[in-house]
Amino acid sequence: EAQVTQNPRYLITVTGKKLTVTCSQNMNHEYMSWYRQDPGLGLRQIYYSMNVEVTDKGDVPEGYKVSRKEKRNFPLILESPSPNQTSLYFCASRKLAGVADEQFFGPGTRLTVL
Amino acid sequence: DQQVKQNSPSLSVQEGRISILNCDYTNSMFDYFLWYKKYPAEGPTFLISISSIKDKNEDGRFTVFLNKSAKHLSLHIVPSQPGDSAVYFCAASGNTGNQFYFGTGTSLTVIP
Repeated sequence: EAQVTQNPRYLITVTGKKLTVTCSQNMNHEYMSWYRQDPGLGLRQIYYSMNVEVTDKGDVPEGYKVSRKEKRNFPLILESPSPNQTSLYFCASRKLAGVADEQFFGPGTRLTVL
Repeated sequence: DQQVKQNSPSLSVQEGRISILNCDYTNSMFDYFLWYKKYPAEGPTFLISISSIKDKNEDGRFTVFLNKSAKHLSLHIVPSQPGDSAVYFCAASGNTGNQFYFGTGTSLTVIP
């Protein structure tokens, strides 16, 4: 089954404790991206990657890091989480060719930073 | 500054009637527009898209209209069904399709 998986689905942590949210896709997609969803703000793009070792900032990259060492994986790293990073996070992927092609989204990771 | 706006947080429609969801944008460089549907506890799923060279795209019960001069797009669902009850996000991208800007979403309720 074609899918994007994220782990963990739920996470409660404390300020300053480094964490990683993993994202994996099995569709051989070149493009992957991370978003956060907050009430009243919709989805905002954090980082995206067009292929292995190629990453770039989205609209709200501050406080986040990403890496793309393999095509299927695109982890989101919060080196020193703060309460304003409490949010619902989505990973997505799509084929690189075809701008208007659909992005496939993962099920989301709900992060709470105390 | 929100470049894509959905000014109606919610909309209720009777089953069988038309649902019209609206979206406005500010950046005239956007080339592609997409609509996603989201159920609770799930990720968004793609619904329909339109390129800026078109003014209409249709897929079954779903039609997206684009008015470039007004920087406005709308999604029409006809006929509306209870299973259409979800949050709908519009999104926009430039011609590279790398950066996407989403609206704040409209929660649609279709009443049986």
